[in-house]
Amino acid sequence: GESVGLHLPTLSVQEGDNSIINCAYSNSASDYFIWYKQESGKGPQFIIDIRSNMDKRQGQRVTVLLNKTVKHLSLQIAATQPGDSAVYFCAENISNQGGKLIFGQGTELSVKP
Amino acid sequence: GAVVSQHPSRVICKSGTSVKIECRSLDFQATTMFWYRQFPKQSLMLMATSNEGSKATYEQGVEKDKFLINHASLTLSTLTVTSAHPEDSSFYICSARTPTKDTQYFGPGTRLTVL
Repeated sequence: GESVGLHLPTLSVQEGDNSIINCAYSNSASDYFIWYKQESGKGPQFIIDIRSNMDKRQGQRVTVLLNKTVKHLSLQIAATQPGDSAVYFCAENISNQGGKLIFGQGTELSVKP
Repeated sequence: GAVVSQHPSRVICKSGTSVKIECRSLDFQATTMFWYRQFPKQSLMLMATSNEGSKATYEQGVEKDKFLINHASLTLSTLTVTSAHPEDSSFYICSARTPTKDTQYFGPGTRLTVL
């Protein structure tokens, strides 16, 4: 079922440092994963995705790593900027569920100037 | 590309009234749209899956008679909160799935406040 968190984990980093946000997923049948960024009062914004037949994918300043053995996903942000401050959610797509996404609880990233 | 809009962005209504929220995919056709609800400091909770031309599929615990969903075209889905009560106050977000992959693109959300 959906993940509902009462307390958002937080990550605080210094501007210019690299950030790593982690996510554990639960379903072995998940075949597609997406990272979203959500700023306060806005809808989630697509960042990067990865299919289960890959273990790494890179975008602009972001890298997603997938470890299917331990059902773990991470998002790495290089040279973190104040504009990266937001809540980050991982989402898993379970195969044959009509495209339904299951969201993780989210991590709040705070970038100190 | 892959832009999704929602209207209204914010609505305040009295208890007992109904509120309609629109979700549109602006530059692609979406056979499937999704409706989520989000409470402060929490994750997104899927309410229902909306398929064009057919009845919506609701998640467990979501009342289909209270949250009416209509997906009349490939670019528009609507969510109507009927007889709204203060506990329905929340941030409602829609998403649309692109036709070629499983990626969902989200609208900006609608903040509903029921007095």
